[in-house]
Amino acid sequence: EAGVTQFPSHSVIEKGQTVTLRCDPISGHDNLYWYRRVMGKEIKFLLHFVKESKQDESGMPNNRFLAERTGGTYSTLKVQPAELEDSGVYFCASSQTGTGTFGYTFGSGTRLTVV
Amino acid sequence: TQLLEQSPQFLSIQEGENLTVYCNSSSVFSSLQWYRQEPGEGPVLLVTVVTGGEVKKLKRLTFQFGDARKDSSLHITAAQPGDTGLYLCAGATTDSWGKLQFGAGTQVVVTP
Repeated sequence: EAGVTQFPSHSVIEKGQTVTLRCDPISGHDNLYWYRRVMGKEIKFLLHFVKESKQDESGMPNNRFLAERTGGTYSTLKVQPAELEDSGVYFCASSQTGTGTFGYTFGSGTRLTVV
Repeated sequence: TQLLEQSPQFLSIQEGENLTVYCNSSSVFSSLQWYRQEPGEGPVLLVTVVTGGEVKKLKRLTFQFGDARKDSSLHITAAQPGDTGLYLCAGATTDSWGKLQFGAGTQVVVTP
């Protein structure tokens, strides 16, 4: 089966601009997650979708971040306006169940650099 | 905030040697996962442990979940250069089962 696909793989934008990241989960996976790793820190949770609904968005840093998953398929994460501290690698993951007992499949990530 | 502390941060060994990586927390996790990550890629799941005291083996890798489900270890026997990578532990709790808490990782380098 195809894995989790993320677009773009790299993005360099100027402070104040808008960037939209996309994630295509494994087909049939109802659970989709966004994580990010900023320089020197551990990977941190951003939010969790079950189908098109936000199950947990406690990790979203502020209202400059907007995640959507229309139709319960692919998801987008928009950052508007981007700030320097938003730089990092954004990972998307998906799973069949959300209990954590079967692990998640991660995409290769989008490396975002805000200059 | 439940913190997962991994040790050591960095480990460099020769091919054929054994190594152990530790993952510790003061919190109880309902499940704990180990991932390996290589540069430019996302974490790849190695194993999930859910029962206190559980031991799982994956070829030369042995994973153990502590009896109290607060800690875990990964032991690699006769390491090979292909074992080089960043090893991450990640835990989930029953009250936030969709949300993984990651450790900072242990960078393992195995030289021929």
